[in-house]
Amino acid sequence: DSGVTQTPKHLITATGQRVTLRCSPRSGDLSVYWYQQSLDQGLQFLIHYYNGEERAKGNILERFSAQQFPDLHSELNLSSLELGDSALYFCASSPFDRAGANVLTFGAGSRLTVL
Amino acid sequence: KNEVEQSPQNLTAQEGEFITINCSYSVGISALHWLQQHPGGGIVSLFMLSSGKKKHGRLIATINIQEKHSSLHITASHPRDSAVYICAVFNSGGSNYKLTFGKGTLLTVNP
Repeated sequence: DSGVTQTPKHLITATGQRVTLRCSPRSGDLSVYWYQQSLDQGLQFLIHYYNGEERAKGNILERFSAQQFPDLHSELNLSSLELGDSALYFCASSPFDRAGANVLTFGAGSRLTVL
Repeated sequence: KNEVEQSPQNLTAQEGEFITINCSYSVGISALHWLQQHPGGGIVSLFMLSSGKKKHGRLIATINIQEKHSSLHITASHPRDSAVYICAVFNSGGSNYKLTFGKGTLLTVNP
């Protein structure tokens, strides 16, 4: 157990639907990062929050949004789902602000299947 | 051309062999990460380095900033080392800092 908790582990839904993925960071970590891993694109950075504030955005679609709450857990909302959104979504956490200066702790991932 | 290139894409070895996985990048970086992903998906951070060399057990990671190149070595490889190894770089420039990942090297160690 890495200390980063992601729910749900697996999710199957239909095109056009909306889902919410949840991440609880390791105790004491203030940063949460979201990554998408698909077979053809590999791992891609989506978004980074530090202590409730958005710090950096990557290749995140407009249909996707995220937030980090006062208790530091984060949610990634995916709407108007398309087949191509099927992927593993990872959350990682770190103590400080800049990903490069921190060792990241990853969650086990949420596998999303869009049918 | 990808900012982060790994080689080889696939690597099969016999138990006990010395393994080298390479990572080249084209941008200025502040740090480089090596990650391990086992079948089933979980990702573990192995190393974060910005210069020189780090060692943890049978794993050694080196980086040459001038040549924009890093290597991950596994000594006395074991079947449990079978996994995908991913290199990721943290760009040192700009305000939208992020990790950029290589596509990974699939290592299979046969007994």
